[in-house]
Order: sequence, then C-alpha cells, then structure tokens
Amino acid sequence: GAVVSQHPSWVICKSGTSVKIECRSLDFQATTMFWYRQFPKQSLMLMATSNEGSKATYEQGVEKDKFLINHASLTLSTLTVTSAHPEDSSFYICSARGPSYNSPLHFGNGTRLTVT
Amino acid sequence: AQSVTQLDSHVSVSEGTPVLLRCNYSSSYSPSLFWYVQHPNKGLQLLLKYTSAATLVKGINGFEAEFKKSETSFHLTKPSAHMSDAAEYFCVVGMDSSYKLIFGSGTRLLVRP
Repeated sequence: GAVVSQHPSWVICKSGTSVKIECRSLDFQATTMFWYRQFPKQSLMLMATSNEGSKATYEQGVEKDKFLINHASLTLSTLTVTSAHPEDSSFYICSARGPSYNSPLHFGNGTRLTVT
Repeated sequence: AQSVTQLDSHVSVSEGTPVLLRCNYSSSYSPSLFWYVQHPNKGLQLLLKYTSAATLVKGINGFEAEFKKSETSFHLTKPSAHMSDAAEYFCVVGMDSSYKLIFGSGTRLLVRP
C-alpha cells in the first residue's frame, strides 16, 4: 500500500540551530502534503498545507519564517525549523494525498524534535 | 465552522469487553468523518471513514462507527477489546475538498488483562 516516509524519526539539536525534516511519498505522487504538530498528550494541530510547485499555506498563528516548507517535487516536502528553541520541541507529523480528488491521506510516522 | 469533540480523554476496559469511544461533531454541511489510531511515538493509521454513504461504517481490526446525524455523533465501537488495541484514538472531521483535517483531542484507550 501507499507509504509516507518521514526522516529523521527523531532529532536532538541545540538552540539556535536549524533542523530539516523530510516527508516522502514512496509509491505515489503527492500533490498536497500537510504538516502537523503534536504536543505531548495533545492532539494534532495543522501547521500548513504544502502544494507542489507553489508556496505553502500556513494556518493562523504559525510563523512561516520559522517553519519553512518546501515542496519541490511530487514526492518530497521538507519542513525546516529555523533557529530552533526549546519551545519548538514537539512531535511533527506529515501527511500526503495523491493527485486525484478521491485520493486518500497517508500519514508518516512522525519526527520527534528535542531542542536543548 | 467545523469542530469535533471527543467526550472522554481516557477509557479503560478489560480485555474481551466492548469498546465505546465517543465523538460529537459540528459541521455546517455533510461532513467527512474519520477515526485514526496512534500508537506511542508513531504516526496515524486510518481505522475507518464516513463520506455520506452507509451510516454504519466498518473499519479495520474489528472497529466500526455509526454516523448519527440527529445526534451529530460518530462513536467508535468494537465488540471485544484486545490488548493490542491500547492506543490513542482520534476522531477527525474533514474540511471541504481540501483534505484539511480537524482533529479531536484524542481518547486514550487502556485495555486491562
């Protein structure tokens, strides 16, 4: 079946550094990908919608200059957390949908980011 | 605006007994509704989805959910709980055709031996 791969599965970085998270659709082309953030024991919050070949659409309250999203190909979207701070520590999950109207959503296994 | 409310943050059942996870939704039009399961530090797996076809939706692993418009509910059930069912369950409503999803707060299912 369709698989979405996220890399890395976990990452630890120091404050002030940037971290890039990759989301790949392995066996289908994903015109749209979504990035979610999940705090411990809380639900998923949609951060942004990533469309191949165009700028991402950010949800209200999400800093686009801090969370840079690039969707340069039909199989890859990246989320870069710039100048990370401890409050950015969270579980980040991506999801991807295929090109047709009825294409289902597939979720990655998430990336645990810890900023020290 | 669309929203979804999961009525219980934790549900504890004994193995072999029925499971009921409650969800109420709010939507200005016929919604797309989903149940997802998340095991610790993992992504989400789709259990089932409702998209205006049959009101009783059967999913994977023996789960099913019934869409009740009059009650604006979409409760998840399973006749007999298994230890492997212990996880976090999310009720989700889909926004229009963009596939943007609104997640409920989640219900943690604990299964006692």
